Amino acid sequence: DVVLTQTPVSLSVTLGDQASISCRSSQSLEYSDGYTYLEWYLQKPGQSPQLLIYEVSNRFSGVPDRFIGSGSGTDFTLKISRVEPEDLGVYYCFQATHDPLTFGSGTKLEIK
Amino acid sequence: EVQLVESGGGLVQPGRSLKLSCAASGFTFSNYYMAWVRQAPKKGLEWVATISTSGSRTYYPDSVKGRFTISRDNAKSSLYLQMNSLKSEDTATYYCARRTGYFDFWGPGTMVTVSS
Repeated sequence: DVVLTQTPVSLSVTLGDQASISCRSSQSLEYSDGYTYLEWYLQKPGQSPQLLIYEVSNRFSGVPDRFIGSGSGTDFTLKISRVEPEDLGVYYCFQATHDPLTFGSGTKLEIK
Repeated sequence: EVQLVESGGGLVQPGRSLKLSCAASGFTFSNYYMAWVRQAPKKGLEWVATISTSGSRTYYPDSVKGRFTISRDNAKSSLYLQMNSLKSEDTATYYCARRTGYFDFWGPGTMVTVSS
């Protein structure tokens, strides 16, 4: 199974600063069709997960441009510029390139 | 407005069965793949099952393969998860999610507790 390793496990950020989360895969996530099926989700406290980014760098509808996904192959990053209070929660990366589909273990973002 | 609402969770003894339902509205259900994702208490997310638009293709991780069955009724805009031979490690909140190349909509979840 593909293992997605997220770092850091937790992150404390001052409002207005940038946050960066890494997601490293045990295998390349580039599929045979040339696409890379790496997604990012945010689970706010007490809520269901919500989609932020799909195919590495595409923001889902309504997601602020403060959220930037990047990477390729096995190394991926989610950057959140100008962190706002509503950004707190747990961030998960997820891969749909290889079966079984797998999530990273999560990164908890706290506001200082 | 897209809505997904799960039901059917509860307390069940190890080895018994439970069937979850997810009622969908606000979109043409039959046009979309659907999935179940679970989250054990205070733990991360785990993909459980995916089903194609017609229901002819289903996908599972090894942790539930042979015990869980995903199905759908497009006429009723409903998704199901039949869970058999339940184990304590199946205790989790189960989310229904629409799969459009990504999980773009999620339900609020239904809690399943497997305990004697």
